[in-house]
Amino acid sequence: TQLTQSPSFLSASVGDRVSITCRASQDINIYLAWYQHKPGEAPQLLIHSASSLESWAPSRFSGSGSGTDFTLTISSLQPEDFATYFCQQVATYPLTFGGGTKVEIK
Amino acid sequence: VQLKESGPGLVRPSETVSLTCSVSGGSIGANYWSWVRQPPGERLEWIGYVFYTGNTKYNPSFEGRVSISVDASKNQVSLKLTSVTFADTALYYCARARIAYDHFDHWGQGAMVVVSS
Repeated sequence: TQLTQSPSFLSASVGDRVSITCRASQDINIYLAWYQHKPGEAPQLLIHSASSLESWAPSRFSGSGSGTDFTLTISSLQPEDFATYFCQQVATYPLTFGGGTKVEIK
Repeated sequence: VQLKESGPGLVRPSETVSLTCSVSGGSIGANYWSWVRQPPGERLEWIGYVFYTGNTKYNPSFEGRVSISVDASKNQVSLKLTSVTFADTALYYCARARIAYDHFDHWGQGAMVVVSS
């Protein structure tokens, strides 16, 4: 199952609302996860099952979607949110990942 | 739970690269341990997993030259990739999932492998 993530690069300011989309090449129900990855660190699970927020993640992060279209939204971008975000489908093997979205400071 | 990958750093084409993932703060048991890699400028690619019992599943893209194993006594997971080429240059991660069709709740920081002659 191919995942198409967009945009690949996003320049935004602190306080902005940003959205990242992930489109699957086939129906994956809600079997989609989102991760945050900062350079030199281990990727961190942010959201699983399309919309379930991990306990460490602030409530400004949210996930939505099912089937083939999914969205990660950050309601008010904070300095610590500048990172790369990627999606992963766990509905079928081989597991696959989106191409990533690098969120940078404008 | 913390995961830490280690490996040779540099390997020559046609050789076998071996990587180890050391797990601390938790047990190997009843978890699925995956290896994932990211070549420079490319997306993440799932290589395969091993269940703590030793059962494995591999990405067909690597079938035939990959082996993933677990050593519960050492709390380690290993990856062997044979006949490497320049295309195997990548940052290699290990990651944990609680069940087979599941997200990864823990990742390591990754170990860089460069294939160069």
